[in-house]
Amino acid sequence: DQQVKQNSPSLSVQEGRISILNCDYTNSMFDYFLWYKKYPAEGPTFLISISSIKDKNEDGRFTVFLNKSAKHLSLHIVPSQPGDSAVYFCAASKGGGADGLTFGKGTHLIIQP
Amino acid sequence: EAQVTQNPRYLITVTGKKLTVTCSQNMNHEYMSWYRQDPGLGLRQIYYSMNVEVTDKGDVPEGYKVSRKEKRNFPLILESPSPNQTSLYFCASSLNRVGEQYFGPGTRLTVT
Repeated sequence: DQQVKQNSPSLSVQEGRISILNCDYTNSMFDYFLWYKKYPAEGPTFLISISSIKDKNEDGRFTVFLNKSAKHLSLHIVPSQPGDSAVYFCAASKGGGADGLTFGKGTHLIIQP
Repeated sequence: EAQVTQNPRYLITVTGKKLTVTCSQNMNHEYMSWYRQDPGLGLRQIYYSMNVEVTDKGDVPEGYKVSRKEKRNFPLILESPSPNQTSLYFCASSLNRVGEQYFGPGTRLTVT
């Protein structure tokens, strides 16, 4: 049973436009959410996170929105740049993180020139 | 430079031949974990460790062992590798269990 779902395996966006990556979760015990970015042949790198007590967190071009009632979060990248082309993983953790992080399967973002 | 290192980066081996993938971090992190990444399955946690001598199973622990004798090192041991353990493996560490995890560069393992 997949607890963190990224239903879009890939997403193509034109350079300069907004990229929106979506993530749904099923476990209501999750209270901390993170986004990781991964380039080929490298390990994932942390991008941005949000606690369940917030509904928005912003860091430069990256904003994460959390809708707890819908169990949905999204990552917005504005404006999209060629270097943003990568696989993006959504991850979630629950109270104290006793089980570490549960990851989604990832979304491959392709920024078209 | 703060980092997580893994060795080897690439390994081809045969079924049944014991192997160890090393992982080391220089950030004095308490929490370390191992993941495997497979096409269409994302990252799945194999084992994790909350501190020295404290380890626990993740989602896919079968066929793997770990040890945490020192804070900085967290080796992954495959006692008798099988072809279904062919995968890309990542080690990660963080200050605490919910904190941002720092990942190593990955080890691509092929078992024939």
